[in-house]
This record gives sequence, structure tokens and C-alpha cells, in this order.
Amino acid sequence: ELKVEQNPLFLSMQEGKNYTIYCNYSTTSDRLYWYRQDPGKSLESLFVLLSNGAVKQEGRLMASLDTKARLSTLHITAAVHDLSATYFCAVEAGGFKTIFGAGTRLFVKA
Amino acid sequence: DAGVIQSPRHEVTEMGQEVTLRCKPISGHNSLFWYRQTMMRGLELLIYFNNNVPIDDSGMPEDRFSAKMPNASFSTLKIQPSEPRDSAVYFCASIKAGGSTDTQYFGPGTRLTVL
Repeated sequence: ELKVEQNPLFLSMQEGKNYTIYCNYSTTSDRLYWYRQDPGKSLESLFVLLSNGAVKQEGRLMASLDTKARLSTLHITAAVHDLSATYFCAVEAGGFKTIFGAGTRLFVKA
Repeated sequence: DAGVIQSPRHEVTEMGQEVTLRCKPISGHNSLFWYRQTMMRGLELLIYFNNNVPIDDSGMPEDRFSAKMPNASFSTLKIQPSEPRDSAVYFCASIKAGGSTDTQYFGPGTRLTVL
């Protein structure tokens, strides 16, 4: 059974700093997603990563995928308060069945 | 596009009552997912459909839960009878499968409280 682990689960950081969120998964998969969820809101898709070595960037966020290590990272550059949210990675277990990590609650302090 | 539509947005009911949650996926999307989110268990996939056919319902917690998708533009998740431990936010998501950049689009969720 596919398991997805994120760390850290909680992250408090200063504005302007860099940090990385890690997502490990237990079995081979063809597809990995990153989502953002604001408090009381729904999930918003950030990135879809399909192949080994894939890297995608949007603003201050950059996601990468290493399928051999079964590891994805979400790197935050020069954090700003607006990035405060919960970030989920999700891994496809086959046929679009998707298993979500527990989420990383990010708080960026001004 | 209006996005994924869910109703009601909030539901408060008493234990033992029947609850029906509704979802309209994005037009043209051919797969639909029901998730449940709680603080204790996180985001759990309950069931998903492909072309209106249930593909995997292994996440449905027990027989009190049932889901249907009578056509491409409508799905329901029913809980009968409801229990306090069913209190959660229920999300519906849809995807147009087949493209390299497929991603699930989530609805706003239904916050269910069972007293």
C-alpha cells in the first residue's frame, strides 16, 4: 500500500528566508502533485510532476521530483507572508487514485 | 467555467439522520473523486468514478456510506444513518483524464456536523 510522508508537518519561518518541504513515498508512482490549502478553503493545484528530474517553478515556489529516491521537494525562496498555508503532496497510486500526505502547515512571520 | 460545485456548503444534522452531499464536476471532466478531511485523519479518498462508473470504493468507511454518479454532471454521497464521527469536510474533485498535465480540481467542500 502506498504511503506518503511529509516533513516537517509544521514550519514557522521568517519572511525572506528559504526553506524546503520534503515528500517521501513508499512505492513507484508515475505522478506527483503539490497542492495548497488556505484555512477554511479548498485545495488549489500548484504543480504536477511526471518524470524523474522534473522541476517546476511558480513565483517563489519550486518543486522537483526524484523518482529513484521516491522523493519530491517543495522549495520556498525568500518567503513572504502570503505563502502562509498548508501544503500537501499527493502521489498517484494508479488509475488516478491519489494518496495525500499529512500536509505541512507553513507560517511565515513578518 | 464555474469550477466544481458542491452543495450544501454547510450541513448540521442529528445523529441517525440521512445526509446527502451533492457534487457537479467541471464540464468535460471524466473522473470524479470524493474525499473526507479531518484533523485526525487528514485527507482521505473515499471513492472515485471514471466515466460515471465506480472504480475504487475501498476508502468508504462502512456500509452507511454510499455514492452514486447517475450521469457525467452529477454525483451524490449519502450517509445513512449519520454518526457524530462522520463530522468532517467532504470534498469533491474532478479531472479530465488523459492529458500530461492532469490535475484534480477541488470543489469548495461541504462542512458536515453531526450532533
